[in-house]
Amino acid sequence: KNEVEQSPQNLTAQEGEFITINCSYSVGISALHWLQQHPGGGIVSLFMLSSGKKKHGRLIATINIQEKHSSLHITASHPRDSAVYICAVLEVGGGADGLTFGKGTHLIIQP
Amino acid sequence: DSGVTQTPKHLITATGQRVTLRCSPRSGDLSVYWYQQSLDQGLQFLIQYYNGEERAKGNILERFSAQQFPDLHSELNLSSLELGDSALYFCASSPGTVHTGELFFGEGSRLTVL
Repeated sequence: KNEVEQSPQNLTAQEGEFITINCSYSVGISALHWLQQHPGGGIVSLFMLSSGKKKHGRLIATINIQEKHSSLHITASHPRDSAVYICAVLEVGGGADGLTFGKGTHLIIQP
Repeated sequence: DSGVTQTPKHLITATGQRVTLRCSPRSGDLSVYWYQQSLDQGLQFLIQYYNGEERAKGNILERFSAQQFPDLHSELNLSSLELGDSALYFCASSPGTVHTGELFFGEGSRLTVL
């Protein structure tokens, strides 16, 4: 079973700072997802990656398949980016156990 | 709006009781996935149904069961409830048998067992 580790667990930063959240996994995957969960509880999908890099607005996600590692970057961070960011992986072959999730990174951006 | 609908949004009940959570997938999606999010365990996969049939099983307790109906909506039944079952229960849907592309989650059902 895949072990998914996220770091840091908690991160507080000032508005405008560049943010990096890391995700490492132990077993080969077919896809990695980055999710955002706001205090209200709803979960929104940010990215799905199987290789390389994706960018959407101020968010950038990268993945290194050989190193089993992915990063989520937020440029010009804003208080509305405050949320829990969750990494989830789908193992090669679809994953009989569905997605495996990291425990999340709690991000607070102070004005 | 993800297109995935979950009811109820909040539920408070007592130990030993039974509850049913409901999920309607996005139009056209054949798979429904159930996930549990608790404070200590984070998000965990419970079970997946595809076109009415159980397809994959995760960390689902024997006291829990699910089914998917011909109209593709799904219900998660939780029985003999314990304090530790208090959690957010999410469902998600996808067109095929695995999560490909973007994930679509419902807003969750928050269960509190007293």
